[in-house]
Amino acid sequence: NAGVMQNPRHLVRRRGQEARLRCSPMKGHSHVYWYRQLPEEGLKFMVYLQKENIIDESGMPKERFSAEFPKEGPSILRIQQVVRGDSAAYFCASSPRAGANTGELFFGEGSRLTVL
Amino acid sequence: DAKTTQPNSMESNEEEPVHLPCNHSTISGTDYIHWYRQLPSQGPEYVIHGLTSNVNNRMASLAIAEDRKSSTLILHRATLRDAAVYYCILESAGNMLTFGGGTRLMVKP
Repeated sequence: NAGVMQNPRHLVRRRGQEARLRCSPMKGHSHVYWYRQLPEEGLKFMVYLQKENIIDESGMPKERFSAEFPKEGPSILRIQQVVRGDSAAYFCASSPRAGANTGELFFGEGSRLTVL
Repeated sequence: DAKTTQPNSMESNEEEPVHLPCNHSTISGTDYIHWYRQLPSQGPEYVIHGLTSNVNNRMASLAIAEDRKSSTLILHRATLRDAAVYYCILESAGNMLTFGGGTRLMVKP
């Protein structure tokens, strides 16, 4: 059973370009979470999605960032017009359920975005 | 959101037990206590979680204070591969896991 797959592992973009990060959850998991980790800091929650629905986006910046989890295919985190401050590691996690006692979140290896 | 307080760093000797403390004095009755760890350049990895009773699994033990205002993650025999940042996190119903700064565990051979 493959774990959470994220790609690309490393992405370099120039300021103003777009970054698309993909996450395939574990088989059977319909709950996906995106976190961002700035250098030398802890993970910050960004958004929680279920298939075709955004459940909680309280951690998403209001502009330039969007996320989706379509019925078919991976979840995508999209960052438009990237700036240097977007340079970070972006982690995706999945779980088979949500609510109280979520239990174990399974994290991917992360996508490391560098903005030049 | 209830917050946790952990020491910034701890050191341990290889093959000795490690006790990683966490204070969560504002915990509510329904908050679960989770521990994750993050090895260098990797995603976080689940370690253990519990509500009121102490918990054991193949990786570690979780000791929860009777008043639930603190907990301790116990690694019974530290190995070099256990060197990581350990995060103590409270899960409230309907809220996402919020990672704090964690404790950086260094294991000396």
